[in-house]
Amino acid sequence: DAKTTQPPSMDCAEGRAANLPCNHSTISGNEYVYWYRQIHSQGPQYIIHGLKNNETNEMASLIITEDRKSSTLILPHATLRDTAVYYCIVRANTGNQFYFGTGTSLTVIP
Amino acid sequence: ETGVTQSPTHLIKTRGQQVTLRCSSQSGHNTVSWYQQALGQGPQFIFQYYREEENGRGNFPPRFSGLQFPNYSSELNVNALELDDSALYLCASSWRDSPYYEQYFGPGTRLTVT
Repeated sequence: DAKTTQPPSMDCAEGRAANLPCNHSTISGNEYVYWYRQIHSQGPQYIIHGLKNNETNEMASLIITEDRKSSTLILPHATLRDTAVYYCIVRANTGNQFYFGTGTSLTVIP
Repeated sequence: ETGVTQSPTHLIKTRGQQVTLRCSSQSGHNTVSWYQQALGQGPQFIFQYYREEENGRGNFPPRFSGLQFPNYSSELNVNALELDDSALYLCASSWRDSPYYEQYFGPGTRLTVT
């Protein structure tokens, strides 16, 4: 399973775009990149996933580099409610187990 | 709200005891995964159940066991509780035959072992 590397913490001003990076240099060709977030003591919440094309939904955008070795989650207009731990996950090659790391703790500042 | 429910919300047990945690999956989902999340850590995969059989297991000892029922709900059983078992236990449901496998998590059960 590909491992991911994320910065432990980031700050973002309210209303600005939050750009959360993730490295997954050992990702295999058929492995998807998923992003989840976890607000304190709640269950993780699915945000977005992608394979090699950039993806956008109502919550966020996902930019995957052409070599697929890294990706960036973009929250276009961060709000205080976006304060959470964000996990970048590469789906296991067999089955659908997810391997979480320690994530990035994003703090949105008023 | 994901439609995944877990019970109980909180639980306090004594070392050496046994505990059963329950999870009801989201409607239409046929797979349940269980995770353990210690304080300050990311969730760690325990095991997954699909069609009532274990379908993958993380690095957890056999005293962690599970069941999945015909309605796709699931139980996590932990025997001989240890202090280090204190954690948030999360279940996640998914549709096994989807190519995307996104998992939807419940709110968790907070287990404290004293």
